Amino acid sequence: KNEVEQSPQNLTAQEGEFITINCSYSVGISALHWLQQHPGGGIVSLFMLSSGKKKHGRLIATINIQEKHSSLHITASHPRDSAVYICAAYSGGSNYKLTFGKGTLLTVNP
Amino acid sequence: DADVTQTPRNRITKTGKRIMLECSQTKGHDRMYWYRQDPGLGLRLIYYSFDVKDINKGEISDGYSVSRQAQAKFSLSLESAIPNQTALYFCATSDLGTEKTQYFGPGTRLLVL
Repeated sequence: KNEVEQSPQNLTAQEGEFITINCSYSVGISALHWLQQHPGGGIVSLFMLSSGKKKHGRLIATINIQEKHSSLHITASHPRDSAVYICAAYSGGSNYKLTFGKGTLLTVNP
Repeated sequence: DADVTQTPRNRITKTGKRIMLECSQTKGHDRMYWYRQDPGLGLRLIYYSFDVKDINKGEISDGYSVSRQAQAKFSLSLESAIPNQTALYFCATSDLGTEKTQYFGPGTRLLVL
């Protein structure tokens, strides 16, 4: 069983919709990474967070350490948001070893 | 210019061949990583290096070797490629300090026939 679980695995939305992608982890972590992978394959870091909430443009990431849960929200979704979103956790106090979720494939239709 | 570059971007090779994937970075980071990504699986760590003299195995190092030629360069070798090493390979870097963000290269798509 993967220590980092994402849901849903696939998500289809209409342009303008509010999107939520969830990430749960089973071990104590020191920080959590949200990454975006576009169809071309490249991976871009969106957020690194260890507590609370971060916002960048239309993207918001939250984390609840006690509940071992993080969410990535996209407001006013757009077709260019279509990508795979990956969460990854630095577990067990490590500051180098990431455990990755399997990713959520988001498709935003115009 | 990209901060983390990988060459080649695509490679087709035959079973038994030796191949090398190269990674270079201009971010000045000490830490470098090699991952592979397979469909339906999360990224998995192959090797990582904290500096030129420090090389460590990750969770799936069998069949791979690495070389850290300089702070900026980290190469991954497949000594004798096999078909189940067909995957997308990523190099990443991170700083030594408290900032833990990892920065990924564009990936190398490898097909072993």
